[in-house]
Amino acid sequence: GDQVEQSPSALSLHEGTGSALRCNFTTTMRAVQWFQQNSRGSLINLFYLASGTKENGRLKSTFNSKESYSTLHIRDAQLEDSGTYFCAAGYNYAQGLTFGLGTRVSVFP
Amino acid sequence: GALVYQYPRRTICKSGTSMRMECQAVGFQATSVAWYRQSPQKTFELIALSTVNSAIKYEQNFTQEKFPISHPNLSFSSMTVLNAYLEDRGLYLCGARDTGPNYAEQFFGPGTRLTVL
Repeated sequence: GDQVEQSPSALSLHEGTGSALRCNFTTTMRAVQWFQQNSRGSLINLFYLASGTKENGRLKSTFNSKESYSTLHIRDAQLEDSGTYFCAAGYNYAQGLTFGLGTRVSVFP
Repeated sequence: GALVYQYPRRTICKSGTSMRMECQAVGFQATSVAWYRQSPQKTFELIALSTVNSAIKYEQNFTQEKFPISHPNLSFSSMTVLNAYLEDRGLYLCGARDTGPNYAEQFFGPGTRLTVL
């Protein structure tokens, strides 16, 4: 079955507002990575977390391996934040990453 | 810093022909290289994981006969899509990591976008 459940599938935000994306894992993961895929299809690396919380500008991510979830918070959303966000996680370096289905974020003026 | 390059960035091939794509890691040792495919409007599927000096492990629905992979050293990997058909179109990503003793971040290239005519 699916090991990475990502929600919501789509999100609309007005500029200046914020929201959270979430990934639940059905198996114990060692680390999680978050990416933004822009309109050209390029994957932009946002965060790599083995535990705890990281913050970068208006983005903040948390990974709780015990409770098997990770979140990505966007605050003060800007138009350039539009795109599809993916979480990806792995439980063993001998395996590849399993990606969530993505969250399509649309930021409106 | 750790960088991953992929060539070509875009390619078009005729149905039934084959095309080869390359992945180059710079700034770290790509002990492990994973290849993924993103079909149109979908997420990223793992095709196979290659670890230097180990056998290449293919995921269900992907085979060596269709997607042969070469990983000859710690900085380079290539994958060929043999007999490409419409269902093979999409964005192919390579993700490389230096496995070491600890779980490590996987660094991704920009992808090779395959169009099949």
